[in-house]
Parts: sequence; C-alpha cells; structure tokens
Amino acid sequence: SQQGEEDPQALSIQEGENATMNCSYKTSINNLQWYRQNSGRGLVHLILIRSNEREKHSGRLRVTLDTSKKSSSLLITASRAADTASYFCATASLQGAQKLVFGQGTRLTINP
Amino acid sequence: DSGVTQTPKHLITATGQRVTLRCSPRSGDLSVYWYQQSLDQGLQFLIQYYNGEERAKGNILERFSAQQFPDLHSELNLSSLELGDSALYFCASTAYPTGELFFGEGSRLTVL
Repeated sequence: SQQGEEDPQALSIQEGENATMNCSYKTSINNLQWYRQNSGRGLVHLILIRSNEREKHSGRLRVTLDTSKKSSSLLITASRAADTASYFCATASLQGAQKLVFGQGTRLTINP
Repeated sequence: DSGVTQTPKHLITATGQRVTLRCSPRSGDLSVYWYQQSLDQGLQFLIQYYNGEERAKGNILERFSAQQFPDLHSELNLSSLELGDSALYFCASTAYPTGELFFGEGSRLTVL
C-alpha cells in the first residue's frame, strides 16, 4: 500500500488565493519530499524536508512537517494559473529500504 | 530538462508481447528508480538500483525484470503483456538513495 496519502484529492481555487495540500504517512521517515507533475509529464522535485526539520520555504512554497502526527503540508501562496498540476508527496522510510514511496496526489486547478 | 532520458516515448503493442524500456540517468547519478503510473493514479514503486546492484524492490510483477548496466543505464523488461500493463513508466535518478529524484519524461505503454 502507499505510504503517503494526500488530501484533498482535488482542489480548485481562484488565481491569487493560497492552496494547501496535506500528506499523511504511516511509518517513521528519513525525509519527505514534494513533487509536481504537469499532465502526462515527468515529475519535478519541489522541496525536501528532513525528519528533524519542522518547516521549509522555497519561493512561494512553504512545507511543514509534524513527525508526531506523521503529516506534512504544502502551502502555495499567491497561486497562479501555471501552478495547475498534480502534487505528490513522497516518503523515504527509516527502515532499511531505499525506496521513495509516493502518494496518490492532489490535483490542483487554479482558475484565472 | 532533467537530464534523464527515457526511450521509447510511446509504445503500442499487443497482449502477450515483450518490450524493453530504456533509461539513461543524469550524468554522475548512480541510483536509478523505476515507477509505474496508471491513468489518474499515483506512482507505484517498482525497483531501485544503485551502481549496478538491486537495492529495493516494490510490487514488481514476476513478468517484469530490470537491470542496471556498468555504464549505469537501466532497462525495464516487461513480458507476457496484459491490458492492465498499459501505463506510463517513469525512470528517475539521484546522486544518493532517498535524495531528490530527477525524472525522465516517461515511456507511455499501450497494450492492445
């Protein structure tokens, strides 16, 4: 089964608004990563947050990590039409395996 | 451009056939991951290699196999193809396991 679960599955907002997506996971992690995918294209890495970090910023992106709740959130501020894409979280488990496991993704639509 | 090259981009074949998907990682990256993405689904982890050795395995079917060659390129072999194998197959590379992944544009397989 997938390690990460994104919520909501789909989100539609107006341009200029903030978008928040959440990710929950099950096991202890080494790090958590967020990726973006435009329809049918390869995924693009957005940000990596380590298990000992609580918050990280990159441009209009803000990621938080709460290891006690096994959850993370991705905030995109001042959204633009070009932010329309699917967003995935991926977790790297602490337990031996080197795989990165992805969730089902949140489909974000920014309406102009 | 992520630096990861996947060929072919599109492939149409019939049930029962065998195909080989090829991936050239970013220059210097030793680790290669393979993922399967079915329509509107998340990414299913298949297998990971590091410097020619298999390091992690996901829910990869017995009909599927992969390897990483001394020049670090990787191939994913899919045999006895079924309709349900139709999907986007992504390769990703990274300098170190569980680090930031760089994805290729994928190979879209259609099984008729």
